[in-house]
Amino acid sequence: GENVEQHPSTLSVQEGDSAVIKCTYSDSASNYFPWYKQELGKRPQLIIDIRSNVGEKKDQRIAVTLNKTAKHFSLHITETQPEDSAVYFCAAKMDSNYQLIWGAGTKLIIKP
Amino acid sequence: DAGVTQSPTHLIKTRGQQVTLRCSPISGHKSVSWYQQVLGQGPQFIFQYYEKEERGRGNFPDRFSARQFPNYSSELNVNALLLGDSALYLCASSLRGSDTGELFFGEGSRLTVL
Repeated sequence: GENVEQHPSTLSVQEGDSAVIKCTYSDSASNYFPWYKQELGKRPQLIIDIRSNVGEKKDQRIAVTLNKTAKHFSLHITETQPEDSAVYFCAAKMDSNYQLIWGAGTKLIIKP
Repeated sequence: DAGVTQSPTHLIKTRGQQVTLRCSPISGHKSVSWYQQVLGQGPQFIFQYYEKEERGRGNFPDRFSARQFPNYSSELNVNALLLGDSALYLCASSLRGSDTGELFFGEGSRLTVL
């Protein structure tokens, strides 16, 4: 079955700098790749997603890139702010399967 | 509009007991999924229901069961609780079943098994 690996487990960046979180997946049939942000004690919330027919997607300070050949996708956050501090999860899904397979999460710390 | 609502928000049980968790999806959503999130890990898929039928089951023992009602709300039942069942149980709703649309999560039910 599908397996999603996420790196790094913790990322500390200076406020205003960029942060990059990387994920790899194992099943080439996966075609949907969402990113969720989970603040402490809160629900996961979708921040951006990408489908396999697109290589890159941007939404203000957040972007996601997908390399289908290498089976990896990345989250890029520019001009980081204190409110970006949270745990970020990548996930993968295919049309023929009902379950979303999640990475282990990256704790992003924004240093003032 | 109300989001996904779950109850109870917190509960404490002892080993061997049974628990029922409840979820109401966003109005108009016909699919409900259940995930278990152990502290420090990503959510793990337990079940998905669409139009009151089980459409997917994750790698969980038969102690875990669920159902979806005609109004699309759902219950997750866990029997013979073990210490390792302590986790945040998340319910997510979506418009349809196997589509790749957004999952909307509730705040979760935090279960502690003593």
